[in-house]
Amino acid sequence: AQSVTQLDSQVPVFEEAPVELRCNYSSSVSVYLFWYVQYPNQGLQLLLKYLSGSTLVKGINGFEAEFNKSQTSFHLRKPSVHISDTAEYFCAVSELFQKLVFGTGTRLLVSP
Amino acid sequence: DVKVTQSSRYLVKRTGEKVFLECVQDMDHENMFWYRQDPGLGLRLIYFSYDVKMKEKGDIPEGYSVSREKKERFSLILESASTNQTSMYLCASNRGRGNQPQHFGDGTRLSIL
Repeated sequence: AQSVTQLDSQVPVFEEAPVELRCNYSSSVSVYLFWYVQYPNQGLQLLLKYLSGSTLVKGINGFEAEFNKSQTSFHLRKPSVHISDTAEYFCAVSELFQKLVFGTGTRLLVSP
Repeated sequence: DVKVTQSSRYLVKRTGEKVFLECVQDMDHENMFWYRQDPGLGLRLIYFSYDVKMKEKGDIPEGYSVSREKKERFSLILESASTNQTSMYLCASNRGRGNQPQHFGDGTRLSIL
């Protein structure tokens, strides 16, 4: 069965600095990978997804992620963060015909 | 744009009450899901449905049931609410079989007193 690990529960960063949020997954078959963002008092919003093809995936708000099959990772990156990026970020994985499994989330705290 | 609407943003109920959480989606999605979200635990799947009148247990179905009488509506029922069911509940929908992103409602923050 698939599982997702987000090792960092909280990542503090200064505005305009780069950030990487880590995600590792375990699965024995081909997977689909997603990053979601949750702003305070809201539901989850899709940031980006990897289904197949190019391993570098670009999403909304300047975020991107790279699928690394050998390291079973799907880390999320942004070269320069804004205060408005403060939110909780969830990595999720699914296999074909299987349900979506979420990581425990990483809270990104951007300060001036 | 896909719209998933949860009937209540905040709800306060008492232990032992029967509680209904409603979710409606407007994109004709086959699949609908109920999650609960707790700090440090991420999202955990309670129940899901692949079609009208069909339901399947997720990872934490105990104490919950669901109803899907119409394609657009998926209801979560707490048969006899308990304090450990105080949580944020999120509804989602999508089409396909695992390779399509889920679209989420804004959540219902439920407090059981």
